[in-house]
Amino acid sequence: NAGVMQNPRHLVRRRGQEARLRCSPMKGHSHVYWYRQLPEEGLKFMVYLQKENIIDESGMPKERFSAEFPKEGPSILRIQQVVRGDSAAYFCASSIGPEKNTEAFFGQGTRLTVV
Amino acid sequence: GNSVTQMEGPVTLSEEAFLTINCTYTATGYPSLFWYVQYPGEGLQLLLKATKADDKGSNKGFEATYRKETTSFHLEKGSVQVSDSAVYFCALGGQGGKLIFGQGTELSVKP
Repeated sequence: NAGVMQNPRHLVRRRGQEARLRCSPMKGHSHVYWYRQLPEEGLKFMVYLQKENIIDESGMPKERFSAEFPKEGPSILRIQQVVRGDSAAYFCASSIGPEKNTEAFFGQGTRLTVV
Repeated sequence: GNSVTQMEGPVTLSEEAFLTINCTYTATGYPSLFWYVQYPGEGLQLLLKATKADDKGSNKGFEATYRKETTSFHLEKGSVQVSDSAVYFCALGGQGGKLIFGQGTELSVKP
C-alpha cells in the first residue's frame, strides 16, 4: 500500500509563474490536508478537502492560492503568480476521516523555490 | 485560539544521553496530542499520540504523557542514538482533523 505521494519533490519557478503541486492520498483515504512549512518554522495548516469539496480553507491566503480534490485524480494545490515569499515546503497529509484521534499520514513534500 | 509552544532548538546531545523536549498547549476542550518526527529531506512521521488526559503515548523508546493540569505533552527518551537526529514536532488535533503544530525542535545526537 503506497503512502501519500507528492510530486514534484522539488519545483523551481520564476516570479510571476504558476506552481502546481500534486498529492495522491493513501489508498482508501478521502480526506486531504495541505500544510506549508516556511524556513525555520513549523507547519501551518492551509486547507482541508474531501473528494470534490473544500471543507476548511481558513489557512489559505486570500489571493493567488487555490486547491481542489477532484473525483478522479490527485489533489492539486495551485499558486498563481508566485512571489519569493511563496518559497517553502508544502506537505500533503491524508486520513480516513476527520475524527480528532485519526492518524494523518504525510507525504515527503514539495519544496518550492521561487527565483 | 488553539496553539502549541515547543522548546527551542537546536538540542545537541551525546549518544545515550537523556532527552526531554518540552511542549505546552492552549486549547478548548480535550484535543488529541501528537509528536511527529521529520528526518532530513523527508515528510513527517507520527511518533506517538495520546487522546485523553493521563494517557501515555510511547514508541521506539520515546514517551510522552498528556498532562491536563499543566497543559503539557513533553517528549522523553532515556538513551538517545545518533539515528534519532531529526526535527521533532508537537501537534494538537484541531477541528475537522487538522493539526496545529509547534515550531519544531531540531535534535542532533553526536557519537
